[in-house]
Amino acid sequence: GAGVSQSPSNKVTEKGKDVELRCDPISGHTALYWYRQSLGQGLEFLIYFQGNSAPDKSGLPSDRFSAERTGGSVSTLTIQRTQQEDSAVYLCASSLVVAGTYEQYFGPGTRLTVT
Amino acid sequence: SQQGEEDPQALSIQEGENATMNCSYKTSINNLQWYRQNSGRGLVHLILIRSNEREKHSGRLRVTLDTSKKSSSLLITASRAADTASYFCATDQRGSNYKLTFGKGTLLTVNP
Repeated sequence: GAGVSQSPSNKVTEKGKDVELRCDPISGHTALYWYRQSLGQGLEFLIYFQGNSAPDKSGLPSDRFSAERTGGSVSTLTIQRTQQEDSAVYLCASSLVVAGTYEQYFGPGTRLTVT
Repeated sequence: SQQGEEDPQALSIQEGENATMNCSYKTSINNLQWYRQNSGRGLVHLILIRSNEREKHSGRLRVTLDTSKKSSSLLITASRAADTASYFCATDQRGSNYKLTFGKGTLLTVNP
């Protein structure tokens, strides 16, 4: 595909349920990022994958959040036992990591609403 | 507080006017980037300026970087209604392995 795609575009779930959000990065991009954006706020870094290196999970807000990246391509962000404060837009981005240039290309996001 | 913080939080101008947004940050950086976001969805990369650069142009955009003051500005000249969006600066940190920290953004409204 031409850009980063995310699915679903919208997800409404009940408090306590688990959700999985999917990201398909641009082909060939070695770096993949997950962010969370609450209403009217900036982006909160969640997790970062780069090639075969161990992911940087320093932004995950709790152990209910996890992510994996299979085969260095598609990534899934899983939120277990969702809470209302998890409601936000979850954005995925990918980039080519080349020395001196690594602008991120963003997907359209998944809007998660926990009721 | 956040690594990158934009000001003003909101800016409203008339079409044809110039818009200036500022970004301040706290730690040493390799690069600073500006992104635009329409309608609360995905961000679009606008421009990257390296720490050894002071000014960069791209079309109607002009970005400056002052590492001594740890600040950057984004100037949009001859604004158009289509420029209405939120603008974010994003900074890395030396040794951060390409992780970016985004500010809360400036909401720019260009009135026709």
